[in-house]
Amino acid sequence: NAGVTQTPKFQVLKTGQSMTLQCAQDMNHNSMYWYRQDPGMGLRLIYYSASEGTTDKGEVPNGYNVSRLNKREFSLRLESAAPSQTSVYFCASTAPGGRGEQYFGPGTRLTVT
Amino acid sequence: AQSVTQLGSHVSVSEGALVLLRCNYSSSVPPYLFWYVQYPNQGLQLLLKYTSAATLVKGINGFEAEFKKSETSFHLTKPSAHMSDAAEYFCAAPTAGGTSYGKLTFGQGTILTVHP
Repeated sequence: NAGVTQTPKFQVLKTGQSMTLQCAQDMNHNSMYWYRQDPGMGLRLIYYSASEGTTDKGEVPNGYNVSRLNKREFSLRLESAAPSQTSVYFCASTAPGGRGEQYFGPGTRLTVT
Repeated sequence: AQSVTQLGSHVSVSEGALVLLRCNYSSSVPPYLFWYVQYPNQGLQLLLKYTSAATLVKGINGFEAEFKKSETSFHLTKPSAHMSDAAEYFCAAPTAGGTSYGKLTFGQGTILTVHP
């Protein structure tokens, strides 16, 4: 049982390049989330998926797109990376009817130059 | 809207001293509250959670937190700090609007440093 996995662990992009961050969970969770973490700002929700086939914007969705490929996988895409998107990105999931407890992946550290 | 405030972005203690990390929530009494811990270069791990069953909640690694409705607080404590407690700690509460598909609002985080 790997929990929540994320790839890649590190990535450096040039401004304007695109990339997709991958996330998968093997806990049969319904809801999945993408956050970004910046110093002094805690975690901010980018997008979430309440269940397979649905996605919704979070607090900071601009510049990102997501795909809930199936129940296990939830990807985050940067179409045209900007330096302001330099951050650490975390994927998380929560169980059906769960009382809010989220399980986190190890994170992807992204630098945009 | 729910907001979560952690007082003190950095807390420094000596090994063996009391650890106190402060958290206040803003909205109506939440059904549950969480403390997460993040060790360097890792994801967040659940430290403990409050679910209204008891106001004093015990978590892993000797940490505990007390829910105080009158003070809208959920402070995290540990009687005796250990070097391995050095990490960043986050308080979290359900985002306003009920369970809202499990969405959480996080505080800004508190970095705990433990000195020998």
